[in-house]
Amino acid sequence: KAGVTQTPRYLIKTRGQQVTLSCSPISGHRSVSWYQQTPGQGLQFLFEYFSETQRNKGNFPGRFSGRQFSNSRSEMNVSTLELGDSALYLCASSWAASDYNEQFFGPGTRLTVL
Amino acid sequence: QKEVEQNSGPLSVPEGAIASLNCTYSDRGSQSFFWYRQYSGKSPELIMFIYSNGDKEDGRFTAQLNKASQYVSLLIRDSQPSDSATYLCAVNTGQGFSFIFGKGTRLLVKP
Repeated sequence: KAGVTQTPRYLIKTRGQQVTLSCSPISGHRSVSWYQQTPGQGLQFLFEYFSETQRNKGNFPGRFSGRQFSNSRSEMNVSTLELGDSALYLCASSWAASDYNEQFFGPGTRLTVL
Repeated sequence: QKEVEQNSGPLSVPEGAIASLNCTYSDRGSQSFFWYRQYSGKSPELIMFIYSNGDKEDGRFTAQLNKASQYVSLLIRDSQPSDSATYLCAVNTGQGFSFIFGKGTRLLVKP
């Protein structure tokens, strides 16, 4: 069974640009969560989508947005990039049928903002 | 502010010893608890999860949960150099499907 895939794996952008990251969950998983990981702040929750609906959102500015498609694939968009947005962006998929279901992470997208 | 706290380490243990990793959480309503291992430059990998008070064993790993003390731990028996990584504690607070992660404990297993 294929794992979670993320594209692209690496991105270099400049301040003010926007970026779109993609995540394909494990087959059959309907929940996709997005996280930002930085050395100083650790893993921080961005948002979670289930069946094309955003169910939960973390404490990030509106420049960070996402969506989920009918095939459960998800995209995350960051507009007006800032230097502080440089981070590893991870998505995780889950059955999410209950709060007891585990999440499985993809390899991540390393974003560098210059 | 819901928090998950871990000692950042590094925790250094000799090969073959037991490594004990600890995690405390602030939200008493938390439902489920997960341990992830993350090697440098890689994404987190699920090791195990626990929902009920007590111990849960899986191979060389044992998770321990004490909800009254809001404490969860991970024991690694017969530690190997390949266990050297950062261990992340994650808590699902039960308010929707969202997780709070600790900042991780770096474990070093010395041959």
